Amino acid sequence: SYELAQPPSVSVSPGQTARITCSGDRLGDKYAFWYQQKPGQSPVVVIYQDTKRPSGIPERFSGSNSGNTATLTISGTQAMDEADYYCQAWDSITVVFGGGTKLTVL
Amino acid sequence: QVQLQESGPGLVKPSETLSLSCTVSGESIRSYYWSWIRQPAGKGLEWIGRIYKSGSTNYNPSLKSRVTMSVDTTKNQFSLKLTSVTAADTAVYYCARGIASVAGLYDYYYMDVWGKGTTVTVSS
Repeated sequence: SYELAQPPSVSVSPGQTARITCSGDRLGDKYAFWYQQKPGQSPVVVIYQDTKRPSGIPERFSGSNSGNTATLTISGTQAMDEADYYCQAWDSITVVFGGGTKLTVL
Repeated sequence: QVQLQESGPGLVKPSETLSLSCTVSGESIRSYYWSWIRQPAGKGLEWIGRIYKSGSTNYNPSLKSRVTMSVDTTKNQFSLKLTSVTAADTAVYYCARGIASVAGLYDYYYMDVWGKGTTVTVSS
């Protein structure tokens, strides 16, 4: 079965750039999606189809996907961005989630 | 705007069947795919499966033998049944709207609108 790997945690200082990676076999041959989940809340899509931002998601969120790695980049990270982030891909007829990354804004 | 609301028992006994419904408002259930996802406390997201208006389903292989999804277009609802539950099935269960399409060479599926989730505990 297909698997996606994420680092368990990433730390960043306010105003700096945070990068969260998601690795999977030939992930670049699929589309990657990213969800943000704050404590006690439902996940929210922040990036879809590798690079697209849904309406209402700040421009500081961006995504890329090539080779075996998709990356979620948060530029000028703010305290409000502290959350868990999950990558997701579609493998044949199954949704696959990464294990999630806890982003801490120190 | 579209809203989803999960409903069902918060407590299920081991070996029994977990049954949840998701009521969709602001959108016809005939227009999209619909998914169930769960999340044990302190853990990651696990996709359970999806259903289309036709009743066509796809399930997570790890749960496939115990899962049944159905759709009721007259009530604008879809449902989840999970049989023979154990403590490992204790989780927050989310329903979500699914977007399925093809772009370039690749097809894709993701969940763009989620319900607030409902906690289900499996315990005697």
